[in-house]
Amino acid sequence: ETGVTQTPRHLVMGMTNKKSLKCEQHLGHNAMYWYKQSAKKPLELMFVYNFKEQTENNSVPSRFSPECPNSSHLFLHLHTLQPEDSALYLCASSQDGGGNQETQYFGPGTRLLVL
Amino acid sequence: GQNIDQPTEMTATEGAIVQINCTYQTSGFNGLFWYQQHAGEAPTFLSYNVLDGLEEKGRFSSFLSRSKGYSYLLLKELQMKDSASYLCAARDSNYQLIWGAGTKLIIKP
Repeated sequence: ETGVTQTPRHLVMGMTNKKSLKCEQHLGHNAMYWYKQSAKKPLELMFVYNFKEQTENNSVPSRFSPECPNSSHLFLHLHTLQPEDSALYLCASSQDGGGNQETQYFGPGTRLLVL
Repeated sequence: GQNIDQPTEMTATEGAIVQINCTYQTSGFNGLFWYQQHAGEAPTFLSYNVLDGLEEKGRFSSFLSRSKGYSYLLLKELQMKDSASYLCAARDSNYQLIWGAGTKLIIKP
């Protein structure tokens, strides 16, 4: 299943580095999501974009900066991260971000380690 | 507050049946999802329930009781490949997904 792809799959960065995560969906969807998944914790919704407009920002620190240039691509720009930001970052997409039977489709994630 | 509870870990035997429970408390309710996530991989959609009752899909079935705020995922004829984490998520009145922490299912031969 290659409906939602993410690069890189693994990333190690220092606290002073700047890096970007990329997500691309090939499903013709209009909504895209960034989630943070830490061990033994529920998925944490970070950002939602619907038709390229940000519709949700769940009090995410400004060291995480999303960008959605079009409905197929989503980026997460990272700078001056902290070790507690180490986690699996998942991208997902859905048809239009609403509706009763909206199903989200996930990418494989980027495993991030901040040293 | 909004909350999803599911067991942290379960163990079952190959060929057997296992039931993974999920209870939810949300502001409004617009459906419940189950996802499967193998280690290091993407969560994949398994089932969706919005009305009370049982939805069957091959070896997997999902049940919902809205009055009890309760759902379960039933896996029959367990196979080794079913070893994974199973995520329960309820959609609230704002169509936000509230996620559980996942149940790690270990299948033993």
